[in-house]
Amino acid sequence: LAKTTQPISMDSYEGQEVNITCSHNNIATNDYITWYQQFPSQGPRFIIQGYKTKVTNEVASLFIPADRKSSTLSLPRVSLSDTAVYYCLVDLMNTGFQKLVFGTGTRLLVSP
Amino acid sequence: DVKVTQSSRYLVKRTGEKVFLECVQDMDHENMFWYRQDPGLGLRLIYFSYDVKMKEKGDIPEGYSVSREKKERFSLILESASTNQTSMYLCASNHRTGILYEQYFGPGTRLTVT
Repeated sequence: LAKTTQPISMDSYEGQEVNITCSHNNIATNDYITWYQQFPSQGPRFIIQGYKTKVTNEVASLFIPADRKSSTLSLPRVSLSDTAVYYCLVDLMNTGFQKLVFGTGTRLLVSP
Repeated sequence: DVKVTQSSRYLVKRTGEKVFLECVQDMDHENMFWYRQDPGLGLRLIYFSYDVKMKEKGDIPEGYSVSREKKERFSLILESASTNQTSMYLCASNHRTGILYEQYFGPGTRLTVT
């Protein structure tokens, strides 16, 4: 399993863009990069997934450089409700079953 | 919207009791999972099931068993609860052919064993 490294915590203010970077130096050719969000006392929620370059959906953008050794989750104009823990996951495809391996994540605090 | 529900949000049980945690999903998902989440340890997979009556061990199956008699329901059983099983338990599900690693989670059950 590729190990990921992300900042333990980040602080931001409402309306700002937040970029959370995840390092995955040992990513394998078949690995996808997946991000989850977890609010207190709730289960994690899938945000976005990508393999290379840029992926965008209604919630976030995911930037992946050519070497794929890191990725950046970008949250545009955050609000107080974006306060949560964000997890970066990198794992092998077709491992036989889809086991999610969550690290400690990045705790994002958005202030007024 | 996909909905995964768990039978209880909070549960307090005594050591040695048999504990049942129920999970139901309404999206006809083939795969269902049970995780536990502990501070500093992240999520750890206990068991998963890819079809009715099928089950596979995850990383930490000891002290647990599961049952999947119907496609929408996946039960986690603690045969004899112990204090080290105090944790947040999360159920998840997804389609076998959906986006890899996109799992839908329930709200969790916080179990305390005294």
